[in-house]
Amino acid sequence: DTEVTQTPKHLVMGMTNKKSLKCEQHMGHRAMYWYKQKAKKPPELMFVYSYEKLSINESVPSRFSPECPNSSLLNLHLHALQPEDSALYLCASSTSRGAGNTIYFGEGSWLTVV
Amino acid sequence: GEDVEQSLFLSVREGDSSVINCTYTDSSSTYLYWYKQEPGAGLQLLTYIFSNMDMKQDQRLTVLLNKKDKHLSLRIADTQTGDSAIYFCAESWGDDKIIFGKGTRLHILP
Repeated sequence: DTEVTQTPKHLVMGMTNKKSLKCEQHMGHRAMYWYKQKAKKPPELMFVYSYEKLSINESVPSRFSPECPNSSLLNLHLHALQPEDSALYLCASSTSRGAGNTIYFGEGSWLTVV
Repeated sequence: GEDVEQSLFLSVREGDSSVINCTYTDSSSTYLYWYKQEPGAGLQLLTYIFSNMDMKQDQRLTVLLNKKDKHLSLRIADTQTGDSAIYFCAESWGDDKIIFGKGTRLHILP
């Protein structure tokens, strides 16, 4: 089973709302990622958690707040977003460093900020 | 620096072979990947190759790596309409980062 599950699939939120994107994997992977993908562009790395600790933050604005409650779950908390934050948000996971680092992606959450 | 280059479009007739090319700049890359993204969907890992290999075959897919020229290719034999998608080349160094190319949109002609 190489499944990464993301919810919700679609989210529309206002600029003053607070919402969260959720991601789950049960492959025993120790690294989890959030990527942002705009239309016709490649995914851009936002955050990496390794062994439940934030290991990479690619200078993402603080209106995006990641959380890793345990090794299977990864959340992305959203607050005071801008319309330009509308994009596909992809969660991914991989085995720990040095083990081939094969990264598996979820189907993504389509976010529209109005 | 880190950079992955791909051509943006490729049109192939159904039944022919498709060859999607990619060049990368960082010779210390450890792993190189091909991902497929269908419209409205996430990224599907198709195949990957370690930098100490020069070829990998998996059913209709053949990956060739020329480490000297930093060139990676993906060949899809007997291309079918279901192969229509964007194909991303990506590289990593065995740590937590993976860098994607801009993607090649494969269009299948009847």
